[in-house]
Amino acid sequence: DAGITQSPRHKVTETGTPVTLRCHQTENHRYMYWYRQDPGHGLRLIHYSYGVKDTDKGEVSDGYSVSRSKTEDFLLTLESATSSQTSVYFCAISELQRGRYNEQFFGPGTRLTVL
Amino acid sequence: GEDVEQSLFLSVREGDSSVINCTYTDSSSTYLYWYKQEPGAGLQLLTYIFSNMDMKQDQRLTVLLNKKDKHLSLRIADTQTGDSAIYFCAESIRSRRALTFGSGTRLQVQP
Repeated sequence: DAGITQSPRHKVTETGTPVTLRCHQTENHRYMYWYRQDPGHGLRLIHYSYGVKDTDKGEVSDGYSVSRSKTEDFLLTLESATSSQTSVYFCAISELQRGRYNEQFFGPGTRLTVL
Repeated sequence: GEDVEQSLFLSVREGDSSVINCTYTDSSSTYLYWYKQEPGAGLQLLTYIFSNMDMKQDQRLTVLLNKKDKHLSLRIADTQTGDSAIYFCAESIRSRRALTFGSGTRLQVQP
């Protein structure tokens, strides 16, 4: 299995509080992604990174920010959590190469509940 | 725009073949993928197909791609209870660095 860990694995928080989720990889892959998984919606991309300090928005980025100060860590922050952000969050990594298929390796997920 | 659609649920008997279908809208897709998610886990790549191929076979798995209709299917032969999972199709296009996933099909295999 690719070396990807997510922390915490479970979190319950209250509306309006800040929350930071961490993704850590040991594979030295360039690309890192944050997705959320909700019933009926599959996986939706929140943000991704294509290098240290290089990030871009996904389709559901409102209310989320990210940071990547080291190759191995990608942080997802909910500045002020809302109940609509209750979800399972997955981190993924890949070593995307031009002209090749993009295999993404996924972490175990973080289940976040916002009360 | 990009959109990947799948039916939500499929139930089969053990030993039968399963066929999971997917449609996509972006004609510039370069690769299409099937990922598998077992309960409580992240996704794992099952197989992929390059957009200029029509079919790919890998042991019990057969992927069919109809580019004209933008239709992708995954056939699992001799389906086993261990195949019970959620299956996601996904596409990548040259101009994007991320994948677009469908909503997932839950496959239930009955003994």
